Order: sequence, then structure tokens, then C-alpha cells
Amino acid sequence: DIQMTQSPSSVSASVGDRVTITCRASQGIAGWLAWYQQKPGKAPKFLIYAASSLQSGVPSRFSGSGSGTDFTLTISSLQPEDFATYYCQQAHSFPITFGQGTRLEIK
Amino acid sequence: EVQLLESGGGLVQPGGSLRLSCAASGFTFSSYAMSWVRQAPGKGLEWVSAITNSGGNTYYADSVKGRFTISRDNSKNTLYLQMNSLRAEDTAVYYCAKHTYSSGGADGFDIWGQGTMVTVSS
Repeated sequence: DIQMTQSPSSVSASVGDRVTITCRASQGIAGWLAWYQQKPGKAPKFLIYAASSLQSGVPSRFSGSGSGTDFTLTISSLQPEDFATYYCQQAHSFPITFGQGTRLEIK
Repeated sequence: EVQLLESGGGLVQPGGSLRLSCAASGFTFSSYAMSWVRQAPGKGLEWVSAITNSGGNTYYADSVKGRFTISRDNSKNTLYLQMNSLRAEDTAVYYCAKHTYSSGGADGFDIWGQGTMVTVSS
């Protein structure tokens, strides 16, 4: 199975800050990576697919990059609605696996 | 509007069974693979099972293999998860999710249901 490891597990930041979350795969997955945002009590929201393709309706302050085993999600200027938990997910092969999540909190 | 609506969750005793349903609308259900993803209270996301668009192939996480069965009825636009021999560690919110592009392979999930809670407890 492909293990997905996110870092950090949690981060505190202020509105307007730039934040980067890292996701590492235990083996190469080319660009087969997705990112999700989840708020308490809600279903995950699909943000980015194929490592860097922004889903329709997702603000352009979100961006993704990477290939192979190392990936990043960057939020260029945090807005109040961005405080949530973020998950990466490998879409390379079954079993599909998620990172453990990164909780983004208000400083 | 593209929508997934889960039902069938509830409280069940250890060793019991439950069947979850997911009603799809707003897209061509028969064209897309579908998955179930669960989230234990306070924990992260765990993929459970997937089924190809035709229903011809199914995939399972090791944690549920042999106990859970995924199926679909394309004539009813409905996805199912039959859960047998339930354990306390199966307690979670269960989401159904639409595969983004693929009719069969691993994929990202662009549409999620609101989730249904399954509690396994005596």
C-alpha cells in the first residue's frame, strides 16, 4: 500500500499569511494526487486534482505542485474561511490512501 | 444539481449488519466509478471500497475485506454498502463519493454525500 504522510500535522497562521502544506508518498505516484478541505461536521471539498489542477470554483489563492513522491499545497493569502483541515490523497492505485490531515488554525 | 444522498446509518450491536444506500442525481451515474470513504470520530479519512461504473470490478480496504460488500444498481442510480460482522472500530461517518474522471480506476473524488453515521456498540 502507498503511505501518504502530511506535514505539519497542524499549523497556526493569521489572515493574510502564506501557508504551505507538504504531502509525501511512500512510492512514486507521478501526478496522481488530490487535495481536499474539510470543515467540522461537513463533507470534504475537492480542491485540486492531478497535483496542480484547481477545481472549478476554488479560489486562485490555492495552488498545488509536485510530482513523484513530494507534493505541496499552498494558500497564498489566508482568508477566514480557509481555516479547516486539509487532506492529500493518492489516486494512483488501489487501495486509495489519504494523508493523516493538516489542521490549519487561526493564530 | 449534482447530489449524493446517503441513508441507512444507525446504531448496531457488534457482530450485526447494516446496509447503506447512496442515491445519486444530477449526473450520469452509470458512467462513473463510485467509492465509500469513512471517518471515525475525531479521525482522518479512510477509503473503504470502490466499484467500477458497470459494477464488474470491486475493491476493498484490508480492514473491511470479507465483511463489507459494495454494489450498485444503475437503473436506480443507487450505490450500496452491505456491512456484516460489524466491529466497534467500524464506527464512523460513511460518505459515498463520485470518482472524478474514471469509470474504473483509482481517482480523486469530486462529489461527496453529506455522510451517514454508523455506530457499533452494545
